[in-house]
Amino acid sequence: DTGVSQNPRHKITKRGQNVTFRCDPISEHNRLYWYRQTLGQGPEFLTYFQNEAQLEKSRLLSDRFSAERPKGSFSTLEIQRTEQGDSAMYLCASSRRAGGTDTQYFGPGTRLTVL
Amino acid sequence: EDQVTQSPEALRLQEGESSSLNCSYTVSGLRGLFWYRQDPGKGPEFLFTLYSAGEEKEKERLKATLTKKESFLHITAPKPEDSATYLCAVQDSGNTPLVFGKGTRLSVIA
Repeated sequence: DTGVSQNPRHKITKRGQNVTFRCDPISEHNRLYWYRQTLGQGPEFLTYFQNEAQLEKSRLLSDRFSAERPKGSFSTLEIQRTEQGDSAMYLCASSRRAGGTDTQYFGPGTRLTVL
Repeated sequence: EDQVTQSPEALRLQEGESSSLNCSYTVSGLRGLFWYRQDPGKGPEFLFTLYSAGEEKEKERLKATLTKKESFLHITAPKPEDSATYLCAVQDSGNTPLVFGKGTRLSVIA
């Protein structure tokens, strides 16, 4: 059973650079989510896709952030012109809505450090 | 606005000392309440989903319960390997994304 995978696991970048993260969901999961987590806080929702359609974006998601899910498979999250405040763990989760259930399974995360 | 509050923020237990973690929530309509375990530097690991008041679920030394306003995660005779941060999250019936609490950091000392 292959779980959610994320790459890279760690990324160190300089302020102002662009970064891109990849998420591969559990196969056959039609929903994919991105969350951000800072130290001592719970994950905060950024955006989610159902198949290839981006259905919701949080107010937290500034215009420097963009996410895609081409063909409804893997997803990428790009941050342009990174700022020190972007340093966080970026988590991806996937789910397969079945009836009333929608349990989200998380990947290991990508730790971003902006110097 | 959906809100989740977890208490205590941190809990230190001796091995074998049972206790409970609390998750209080406010939602307009509950689709589900979720418990996750998170080890340092890793993603959250799914534990339980609860859907309606009165529901209970168990897994090894963990038991989750749900009322209309809160959920408890009971830990019976904990072991050091149970040390982790336990996260509670809710899913509103009108929304898909999870709203998380800040978590309870549990330390179990041998």
